[in-house]
Amino acid sequence: AQSVTQLDSHVSVSEGTPVLLRCNYSSSYSPSLFWYVQHPNKGLQLLLKYTSAATLVKGINGFEAEFKKSETSFHLTKPSAHMSDAAEYFCVVSEGTGGFKTIFGAGTRLFVKA
Amino acid sequence: GAVVSQHPSWVICKSGTSVKIECRSLDFQATTMFWYRQFPKQSLMLMATSNEGSKATYEQGVEKDKFLINHASLTLSTLTVTSAHPEDSSFYICSARSNLGEGREQFFGPGTRLTVL
Repeated sequence: AQSVTQLDSHVSVSEGTPVLLRCNYSSSYSPSLFWYVQHPNKGLQLLLKYTSAATLVKGINGFEAEFKKSETSFHLTKPSAHMSDAAEYFCVVSEGTGGFKTIFGAGTRLFVKA
Repeated sequence: GAVVSQHPSWVICKSGTSVKIECRSLDFQATTMFWYRQFPKQSLMLMATSNEGSKATYEQGVEKDKFLINHASLTLSTLTVTSAHPEDSSFYICSARSNLGEGREQFFGPGTRLTVL
C-alpha cells in the first residue's frame, strides 16, 4: 500500500534563507512523485515531478527535490525563499499503470517572514 | 502546457438546490478525470475517478447519488451536487490525466468554491 507523510504541517523561514519541506513515502512499486503548490483559493500548480529518471529533479521557481530510495524520501528544497513562496505545498505519490492510485500528503504550510 | 478549466469558479446556492460544476481539458484529451474535495486548511480528498464513456468510480464514503459525475467526452466532466446542504460547502477541484506521455501526471483545474446557504 502506498502512503505519503509530510513531516511538518507548518514551516516558517525568513526571506532569503533556505527552504526544506520534508516528505516520506511508502510504495509497493516504483512510484512517481510530485510536489504541488497551492496559493489561497487557487488550484494546484505542479512544481516538479520524479518519474524514474534522474534522482535530483529541478522544478519551477528555483525548487528542486531529490528522490532517495534508501530513505524513501522526496524532500523539497529551495536555496533562497521569496515572499511569493508562501503557500501550501503537497507531496503526492502515484503508482501503478493504467488504473493508478494517487495519494496526497496532508500538506505543509510555508510562511515566509520579511 | 496542459490546461484544465473549471466553471464556475465560485457559486452560492440555497439549501436543497442542485449545482453543476464543469471541468474541461482545454488543449488535450483526458481519458481520466478526477474530482477532489478540499476542506479549509486540509489536503485534497479524492471523491471519484471518471473515465470517458463509463461510470465513475467513487471512493469509500462518497455518496454516488449525492455527487453525480458525468464524463461524456474526452474534454469534459461534470460534477453535480444534488440537493445541496450547508455541509456540502467546500472547495471542489478537478484534475485530468492525458492519454499521452508518461501518463501519471495530473493537471489540476483552478477549483470551484461552493457555498450552500
